[in-house]
Amino acid sequence: QKEVEQNSGPLSVPEGAIASLNCTYSDRGSQSFFWYRQYSGKSPELIMFIYSNGDKEDGRFTAQLNKASQYVSLLIRDSQPSDSATYLCAVLMTTDSWGKLQFGAGTQVVVTP
Amino acid sequence: EAQVTQNPRYLITVTGKKLTVTCSQNMNHEYMSWYRQDPGLGLRQIYYSMNVEVTDKGDVPEGYKVSRKEKRNFPLILESPSPNQTSLYFCASSPWTDNTEAFFGQGTRLTVV
Repeated sequence: QKEVEQNSGPLSVPEGAIASLNCTYSDRGSQSFFWYRQYSGKSPELIMFIYSNGDKEDGRFTAQLNKASQYVSLLIRDSQPSDSATYLCAVLMTTDSWGKLQFGAGTQVVVTP
Repeated sequence: EAQVTQNPRYLITVTGKKLTVTCSQNMNHEYMSWYRQDPGLGLRQIYYSMNVEVTDKGDVPEGYKVSRKEKRNFPLILESPSPNQTSLYFCASSPWTDNTEAFFGQGTRLTVV
């Protein structure tokens, strides 16, 4: 079992709709969760982080965390063509030594005009 | 401008020829790490460093070496590259040892023939 799992996609979303991305993780003790966006051929950039159960909103992005169920999700509202990218879920693992940021394989999102 | 700089951006080399990929950050971050990214596998951590002279293995350290003699620099060394090390490599840094808000370099695309 992979430590951080995401659907690879592609997730096709009409422009203006909501994109919903999910991520599950295996380390029950993890406390820090991140969403990165990566355009093709570019480096990942942080778009959201969340530490507490519940929702966290930043502009058109909402991160949701449920530690009991060990999943974290990302909602993108009013999706735009510029949101077409791969979204990487990352979890800071606690069962190992400090500094192990475990990434999922990423979900490709395609926003269609 | 705050940034993480990797060099070179692209490199084609032959099996067994030692190479170094440099990474430098100008943000005075304590934490630096190296990742490789392969299709379907996402980002996998190779090595990380929590401060000068402190380094530790990530998920896939075999075939790689690192050093952290200065806070700003964290080079990745391949003593005897092999074709299975063909990949896209990213260096990242962050201001805290819990690796929040990692900033990534532009990436180095390495091909070993």
